[in-house]
Amino acid sequence: GQQVMQIPQYQHVQEGEDFTTYCNSSTTLSNIQWYKQRPGGHPVFLIQLVKSGEVKKQKRLTFQFGEAKKNSSLHITATQTTDVGTYFCAGNTGNQFYFGTGTSLTVIP
Amino acid sequence: DADVTQTPRNRITKTGKRIMLECSQTKGHDRMYWYRQDPGLGLQLIYYSFDVKDINKGEISDGYSVSRQAQAKFSLSLESAIPNQTALYFCATRAGGRDTDTQYFGPGTRLTVL
Repeated sequence: GQQVMQIPQYQHVQEGEDFTTYCNSSTTLSNIQWYKQRPGGHPVFLIQLVKSGEVKKQKRLTFQFGEAKKNSSLHITATQTTDVGTYFCAGNTGNQFYFGTGTSLTVIP
Repeated sequence: DADVTQTPRNRITKTGKRIMLECSQTKGHDRMYWYRQDPGLGLQLIYYSFDVKDINKGEISDGYSVSRQAQAKFSLSLESAIPNQTALYFCATRAGGRDTDTQYFGPGTRLTVL
């Protein structure tokens, strides 16, 4: 069945360091979305990528969608304590979203 | 988002009890979803509905049932709760018609089955 794998599961960084999380799908996706969940909160939409090879930026966050539309990454430059949380990708096959297992980011001041 | 509400927010129950989790939305979206979240497993889709007459099973529907009473309401039931259904449950909504629309999540219901 459909699987979306996400690595790493946990990441601890010093404030100011960069951070990257990766998603890989077993099948081609129509699009992929990224969500952030703060501790004790609910997932909140960050961005969606639709086109093969697409790159989008939101301030210090850079999102990429692979050429084959099977993988994606989120890169945060110069992390801040406000970046703490779990980041999920969600691959869309048309009817359903398949969420990755999430990467929990801890930022050490 | 305050537009998607879930009740109750926390529930402790015993094995074998019937439990209903409620979700309401004021966003006017056609599509509604129920997910469960377990540590280290991300979010897994239980059921989804594209409109009042359309109900579909997700990845982990066994042991659960749903009811779409109206466009704005989508309920999840555990007919006979068991301890491994202890989890955080999220409802989400999404506008219909295009596959690029985001999902809006409710605040979650933390369910503990003893």
